[in-house]
Amino acid sequence: AQKITQTQPGMFVQEKEAVTLDCTYDTSDQSYGLFWYKQPSSGEMIFLIYQGSYDEQNATEGRYSLNFQKARKSANLVISASQLGDSAMYFCAMREGGSGAGSYQLTFGKGTKLSVIP
Amino acid sequence: EAQVTQNPRYLITVTGKKLTVTCSQNMNHEYMSWYRQDPGLGLRQIYYSMNVEVTDKGDVPEGYKVSRKEKRNFPLILESPSPNQTSLYFCASSLSIGGAGYGYTFGSGTRLTVV
Repeated sequence: AQKITQTQPGMFVQEKEAVTLDCTYDTSDQSYGLFWYKQPSSGEMIFLIYQGSYDEQNATEGRYSLNFQKARKSANLVISASQLGDSAMYFCAMREGGSGAGSYQLTFGKGTKLSVIP
Repeated sequence: EAQVTQNPRYLITVTGKKLTVTCSQNMNHEYMSWYRQDPGLGLRQIYYSMNVEVTDKGDVPEGYKVSRKEKRNFPLILESPSPNQTSLYFCASSLSIGGAGYGYTFGSGTRLTVV
């Protein structure tokens, strides 16, 4: 079973509008971390934002915020005021705590390709 | 500057010709890992290392070897590359395996084509 599910293969958003990229996860661990990475066409992986499972407040980093709904196991990325430079692939990832196999890797979703329209 | 350095960035090779992709980090990270990225599949872990001389298989280890003789270096070795190993490869490092808060620092990627 997939541990990270990103249901939107592609998304379009008008410049200056907000957009939400969906991510659901599956784990039985109480301690885990959720990450979002951006991959522009140049290929590098850029860390955007982190949410810990015990964090009570949603994480924010500039124009990025993470809508964390623990009971629903969702960790959606919200980008406010989209810019042309936001056009990229976006990956949701999870790292489980403890000493099990899930703590030895980031497990990635398949990604969402975001296109920002002028 | 804290970074993970991979070389080469681009590589075209022929089937069966042994190759090594180098990876080096300057952050004194214990944990290092290799991923491959293929369209529609996301990133999948090949091998990881928890410390010097400690390595283990990830989800897709077939056809790859790794070694960790020094803390900073974690090369990926393809003894006999095949076309199905054409992919974008990432090396990544993390401070520790413990604690869910430790994300990765990624290298810039190596785009490998095997013909």
